[in-house]
Amino acid sequence: DSGVTQTPKHLITATGQRVTLRCSPRSGDLSVYWYQQSLDQGLQFLIQYYNGEERAKGNILERFSAQQFPDLHSELNLSSLELGDSALYFCASSVEEGGLLHSPLHFGNGTRLTVT
Amino acid sequence: GQQVMQIPQYQHVQEGEDFTTYCNSSTTLSNIQWYKQRPGGHPVFLIQLVKSGEVKKQKRLTFQFGEAKKNSSLHITATQTTDVGTYFCAGNPGGGADGLTFGKGTHLIIQP
Repeated sequence: DSGVTQTPKHLITATGQRVTLRCSPRSGDLSVYWYQQSLDQGLQFLIQYYNGEERAKGNILERFSAQQFPDLHSELNLSSLELGDSALYFCASSVEEGGLLHSPLHFGNGTRLTVT
Repeated sequence: GQQVMQIPQYQHVQEGEDFTTYCNSSTTLSNIQWYKQRPGGHPVFLIQLVKSGEVKKQKRLTFQFGEAKKNSSLHITATQTTDVGTYFCAGNPGGGADGLTFGKGTHLIIQP
C-alpha cells in the first residue's frame, strides 16, 4: 500500500460530461502529481502541485484543471469529455517540491475513466 | 517538451534469460528514477541514480547512469516470472519546470 488514495476507482461517463477525480497524498507528502496513462502511451505528465501552489505543468489540455487544497488533497477536473480522454489517471505524491531533483513518487491505484 | 526515450518497447524472453532496457535523453538529467508497473497495478519506485557513472544493484537488478548523465540502463539477470511488468525510467530533461517525465516504458514478457 503506497498510502496514496484515489477515488473513484472506475468512472464511466458520456461525451461532453464533466468529472472530478480525487487524490489524497501520502501522510507528510506536500507534492501531488497527476499523470494520464493510455494504452501504449506510457505515463503522460499533466500537472504538479506543491503545498497548494502549481509547481509544474505538462501536456494538460485546457479542458482539464486541477487544484490542491489546504489539507493537501487534490482534485483533477476533466470537462467536455471526449472519447480520447478514456484512460487511467494516476495521482502520485512525494515529500519534496521537485525541480531539478525529484524525490521518489508514490502512486495511487489510479482512476479508470471510460468515456462512451 | 523534452522527452525521455526508452527502448525497446516490448521484450520477450525465456525465463532464465537476461533482460536490459535503455533510457536516453537529449539533455543532461539531474537524476534518473526507475519504476516497475505490474499488469493491472500502479508504478512502484525501484531506485534513483544521481551521480555520473553511478551503478547500483538490487539483487538481480543492476542500474547504471551514464557518464554524461544522458542515459541509463536497467539489467535483470536470470529473469523470473515475478519480473513480468513494465519498467519505466523517469527524469527531468526540461529542467525544474517540467515535472517528472517518464519514458514510454519497456514491457517485459517472460515465457516459461
